[in-house]
Amino acid sequence: YELTQPPSVSVSPGQTARITCSGDALPKQFAYWYQQKPGQAPVVVISKDTERPSGIPERFSGSTSGTTVTLTISGVQAEDEADYYCQSADSTGIYRVFGGGTKLTVL
Amino acid sequence: QVQLVQSEAEVTQPGASVRVSCKTSGYTFTDYAFSWVRQAPGQGLEWMAWISAYNGNTVYAQRFQDRVSMSTDTSTRTAYMELRSLRSDDTAVYYCARASLTAMLVGDYWGQGSLVTVSS
Repeated sequence: YELTQPPSVSVSPGQTARITCSGDALPKQFAYWYQQKPGQAPVVVISKDTERPSGIPERFSGSTSGTTVTLTISGVQAEDEADYYCQSADSTGIYRVFGGGTKLTVL
Repeated sequence: QVQLVQSEAEVTQPGASVRVSCKTSGYTFTDYAFSWVRQAPGQGLEWMAWISAYNGNTVYAQRFQDRVSMSTDTSTRTAYMELRSLRSDDTAVYYCARASLTAMLVGDYWGQGSLVTVSS
């Protein structure tokens, strides 16, 4: 089972960045989004498709439509430059899987 | 506060085994599980396995099923992951993460990572 993300997304500061993740089981399984900066462990920024954990800025949001989930970062800041990974489970709900990751570049 | 502290970096030879430890604090150990995730240099995250600290139940990604073992020690609040028959392409940073007993989230808190280098 695979989750498909674009390899890269570029935006200017203050613009909106949208990162998509596609997978056949996404209508049945929650998606999670992680931010990873160089040399650091991943941090959850969106849980269960749309929930923002405490401490995560309001500019991070998640949405879902059919077999695609989307991470939206509104008013992108320089500090948001990072790799972003979606994560979910296969249709059995047993095996976890990560998307290939998307490098967000803030121009 | 929740903390996961992993063992130090290791250099090991092809064919050998490596064990990574993950010592925890700041929460009720048996209320959660652990995920193990690796990241090869310049590559993405790869989920390897999951173990319940409540009852020891395990789930392994199919590609690691024959080479990975996991355990937890409630008395020391530590989780362990052993990878056997190492190859050069097993060179990676290995992470432990606190996982849910029921949800599919890989980890809400993560260790700092342990670099394992496989080289002759």
